[in-house]
Amino acid sequence: GDSVTQMEGPVTLSEEAFLTINCTYTATGYPSLFWYVQYPGEGLQLLLKATKADDKGSNKGFEATYRKETTSFHLEKGSVQVSDSAVYFCALRKNDYKLSFGAGTTVTVRA
Amino acid sequence: GAVVSQHPSWVICKSGTSVKIECRSLDFQATTMFWYRQFPKQSLMLMATSNEGSKATYEQGVEKDKFLINHASLTLSTLTVTSAHPEDSSFYICSARGMTDKAVNEQFFGPGTRLTVL
Repeated sequence: GDSVTQMEGPVTLSEEAFLTINCTYTATGYPSLFWYVQYPGEGLQLLLKATKADDKGSNKGFEATYRKETTSFHLEKGSVQVSDSAVYFCALRKNDYKLSFGAGTTVTVRA
Repeated sequence: GAVVSQHPSWVICKSGTSVKIECRSLDFQATTMFWYRQFPKQSLMLMATSNEGSKATYEQGVEKDKFLINHASLTLSTLTVTSAHPEDSSFYICSARGMTDKAVNEQFFGPGTRLTVL
């Protein structure tokens, strides 16, 4: 079945550091790919998405490119802030609108 | 726009009792609502998909008689955990997919409900 594997955390960084969270997927067909973020005490929010190969999703300084050849959708940000501390989930979605999530990566950014 | 609320945000109950959790789409109509369960430091596990006016579709391994889902209107779905036991303690999250415009291809998530069964 469909599955998502993402980098285990927790990840601790200093402000202005470069962040990468790896995400790979297994799926038949052509899923849409997503990154969701969960801030402490809040629900999941869509951070960015890509719906087809080579698409790049971007938002709030974060970027991820849909790489079909490597079945990957790695999340990157060039300079993190304390406010980026959260749990990040990679997810895929097929035509039935069901989301399959990765395990989540906890990111802590220290001032 | 596209706000989803859940009520209550947390609940503590005794073993053997039933608990109802509400999920509402506040500013859009939701054709489909999804219920997830999240264990500590783990990912979200889809429990069931509910469409307004029809029976919910449960994922493999989820007991439909234990987790009763009702989607009576386009803005409200409820999850009732029947005869709750300590192993049902978890974080329950709903999401809603809208009918039109921006909401039609997205899932918008509620803030979650923390259930603790003593």
